[in-house]
Amino acid sequence: ELKVEQNPLFLSMQEGKNYTIYCNYSTTSDRLYWYRQDPGKSLESLFVLLSNGAVKQEGRLMASLDTKARLSTLHITAAVHDLSATYFCAVDSSYSNYQLIWGAGTKLIIKP
Amino acid sequence: DAGVTQSPTHLIKTRGQHVTLRCSPISGHKSVSWYQQVLGQGPQFIFQYYEKEERGRGNFPDRFSARQFPNYSSELNVNALLLGDSALYLCASSLVGQGLAGGAQFFGPGTRLTVL
Repeated sequence: ELKVEQNPLFLSMQEGKNYTIYCNYSTTSDRLYWYRQDPGKSLESLFVLLSNGAVKQEGRLMASLDTKARLSTLHITAAVHDLSATYFCAVDSSYSNYQLIWGAGTKLIIKP
Repeated sequence: DAGVTQSPTHLIKTRGQHVTLRCSPISGHKSVSWYQQVLGQGPQFIFQYYEKEERGRGNFPDRFSARQFPNYSSELNVNALLLGDSALYLCASSLVGQGLAGGAQFFGPGTRLTVL
């Protein structure tokens, strides 16, 4: 059974600091996704990571994938208040019949 | 270019009633997936449709059903509503079905269903 675990589940940090959210998954995956969700809103696609060693960056966010360790990281550089949101990782693979399996989410609060 | 649209935005029903939720995918997208998101949790996969055929079903009871129309829009139906069905129901569209090269799913704004 494909399982996805995120940590931490809650993170409060000051503006200007760096931090990393971790996403572990239990079996071989085909694709790993990162999404952002603002309170009461829908999900916004951030990154799709397809292969080992993939790294993608958008503004202050950078995502990477290590398929051997079954680990993806979402790194936040010099955090700003606007990045406050809940961040989800999700994985699909043949083990899940290609259904997206989601982590529980990391609620990130950035204090000005 | 319009994104994924869903209707209604909010809905209040009572136990035992039936509800129909609607979704229109991004133009050109042929796959629609439905998710249930309970407050404070990640989305749970309900159904995926691709080219009007069901391609995947999550662990939900038979009270949940869906279909996709020739224009690729979709409906999610839930019968005999329970209090536990209260959630945000999200529709996502993608170019192709999961498991095929198609990248990310794009989500609609969701329908907030409250069952009293």
